[in-house]
Amino acid sequence: AQTVTQSQPEMSVQEAETVTLSCTYDTSESDYYLFWYKQPPSRQMILVIRQEAYKQQNATENRFSVNFQKAAKSFSLKISDSQLGDAAMYFCAYRSLGLNDMRFGAGTRLTVKP
Amino acid sequence: EAQVTQNPRYLITVTGKKLTVTCSQNMNHEYMSWYRQDPGLGLRQIYYSMNVEVTDKGDVPEGYKVSRKEKRNFPLILESPSPNQTSLYFCASSLDPFYGYTFGSGTRLTVV
Repeated sequence: AQTVTQSQPEMSVQEAETVTLSCTYDTSESDYYLFWYKQPPSRQMILVIRQEAYKQQNATENRFSVNFQKAAKSFSLKISDSQLGDAAMYFCAYRSLGLNDMRFGAGTRLTVKP
Repeated sequence: EAQVTQNPRYLITVTGKKLTVTCSQNMNHEYMSWYRQDPGLGLRQIYYSMNVEVTDKGDVPEGYKVSRKEKRNFPLILESPSPNQTSLYFCASSLDPFYGYTFGSGTRLTVV
């Protein structure tokens, strides 16, 4: 079964600095999608960024970008110029073509220090 | 405003007392899912639905029921809640899951 692993339960970053959150996944599929979701204290789940496995180019959304390494099954999230509002729980998620489920990692709690 | 509406936001109940958590979306999405979130475990799928009258079990369906009689509504039913169902629950919908889900605001359920 596909699994998603986030090895960093907690991370912290200084405001305006850059931080990278790690995510690895296990799959035998060749086509799939990967996501990063943000969950602030309001607990709302917010889609941050999405990557299609067949695309080699890494996705970017403003200050958020990913480093997608398909062979290594790695999907890290880089947050540049960190802001106080970036403080949240971040979840990595995976979905394959044949799976009626989006599988989530356990999450990484990001603290932003002023 | 396009959204997924979940109610109630908070619920405290006693063991064995049937309850329903409602979920409604106004985006005409075909796909809907229920997840539970527990510390250290992330989100785990309870049930999903690909269309009206089409539902299937996710990873943790025991103790839960769902129905999809209308496209917009996907209620989660706990016939006889137990303390191990204390959790944060999310409803989510998508036109196509490949584009990610839109989530409701969550329901914090406590079963005593």
